[in-house]
Amino acid sequence: EAGVTQFPSHSVIEKGQTVTLRCDPISGHDNLYWYRRVMGKEIKFLLHFVKESKQDESGMPNNRFLAERTGGTYSTLKVQPAELEDSGVYFCASSQEFNTEAFFGQGTRLTVV
Amino acid sequence: QKEVEQNSGPLSVPEGAIASLNCTYSDRVSQSFFWYRQYSGKSPELIMSIYSNGDKEDGRFTAQLNKASQYVSLLIRDSQPSDSATYLCAVNTRDTNAGKSTFGDGTTLTVKP
Repeated sequence: EAGVTQFPSHSVIEKGQTVTLRCDPISGHDNLYWYRRVMGKEIKFLLHFVKESKQDESGMPNNRFLAERTGGTYSTLKVQPAELEDSGVYFCASSQEFNTEAFFGQGTRLTVV
Repeated sequence: QKEVEQNSGPLSVPEGAIASLNCTYSDRVSQSFFWYRQYSGKSPELIMSIYSNGDKEDGRFTAQLNKASQYVSLLIRDSQPSDSATYLCAVNTRDTNAGKSTFGDGTTLTVKP
């Protein structure tokens, strides 16, 4: 069974540009989460999808971040326009049941220069 | 005060010793507790989950939970150099709308041969 996959693994963009990150959860997992780890800080929650619906987006830092999960399968996280402080590692995770173990993807390392 | 705090590292133990990793949390309604292992540059990998007070053993790993003291720990017996990694404590609340995890900063463990 394939795990959580994320694309791209690395992205370097200039300030002001747009970047879209993609996450494919484990097949059958209705719950999909986005997290972010910025340098020197802990992993922080961004948002949670249940199927195609946003269950909790309390961690989204501002309106430059837009997450979608059309059809309840893969998800995208778009940052537009990117700022320097958006640099970090963006993790996606999925779980089968609500509030149980989540399995993480390898992350996308975003560098904004 | 951070919501999830882990004992400051780095922690270094000799091969074959017991490594003890500690985590405290502030939210009394926390319900689910997870330990993840993260090798450098890799994704967090779930190694233990615990939901009720007491001990839970899985091979060389034992998780201990004490909800009254708001404390969860991870013991690694017969530590191996391959256990060298950062260990992340993650906590989920009882809020029915919250599937998200709150993470500690992590404790870096080094097992010396």
